[in-house]
Amino acid sequence: GAVVSQHPSWVICKSGTSVKIECRSLDFQATTMFWYRQFPKQSLMLMATSNEGSKATYEQGVEKDKFLINHASLTLSTLTVTSAHPEDSSFYICSASEPSGRFHEQYFGPGTRLTVT
Amino acid sequence: RKEVEQDPGPFNVPEGATVAFNCTYSNSASQSFFWYRQDCRKEPKLLMSVYSSGNEDGRFTAQLNRASQYISLLIRDSKLSDSATYLCVVNPNFGNEKLTFGTGTRLTIIP
Repeated sequence: GAVVSQHPSWVICKSGTSVKIECRSLDFQATTMFWYRQFPKQSLMLMATSNEGSKATYEQGVEKDKFLINHASLTLSTLTVTSAHPEDSSFYICSASEPSGRFHEQYFGPGTRLTVT
Repeated sequence: RKEVEQDPGPFNVPEGATVAFNCTYSNSASQSFFWYRQDCRKEPKLLMSVYSSGNEDGRFTAQLNRASQYISLLIRDSKLSDSATYLCVVNPNFGNEKLTFGTGTRLTIIP
């Protein structure tokens, strides 16, 4: 399957600081990437859809000014958690759709575990 | 009603047994369907896309029943490495690519 990478794999930051997470499609171009968040023992929750060259589309209840998304190229999307708080501690996962896939299969990055102290 | 519903389990199954998971979806216009597996503290990994005619990949068989809006996954000769959470995933709008996830079914294979 297609390969999606994420960086960093884990990060610990202090409350009030900002954290940037990168998502890259390594062997294909992705006009659309997705950002999810997963709390322990819960399912993935879609936060936003990242569109190359245009503004991201945020899901209801997700603050666009807090979770800044930039999709500047066909292989890179970034999520910046601004003014992080302990309640933002979570597992953040990106995905990208492989365009040649018959069913537009999505492949996930390995995730970034964020801990805000 | 949830858009995608799964039995959360947990399913505790002896090694070598056959186990089946079911999933229902509410949007009759949904276009594509998938099973993913997620290991603890890891990302979901695509297990199978589900074809209209059903499809098999080794020990795994997926079926789709559009009339009943029902998807199934069958695992034969289960192995310890099959222990994971299995996610039923639906793409309601083909081309939109926005997926809808079930809550997942937790499977533990017992030696």
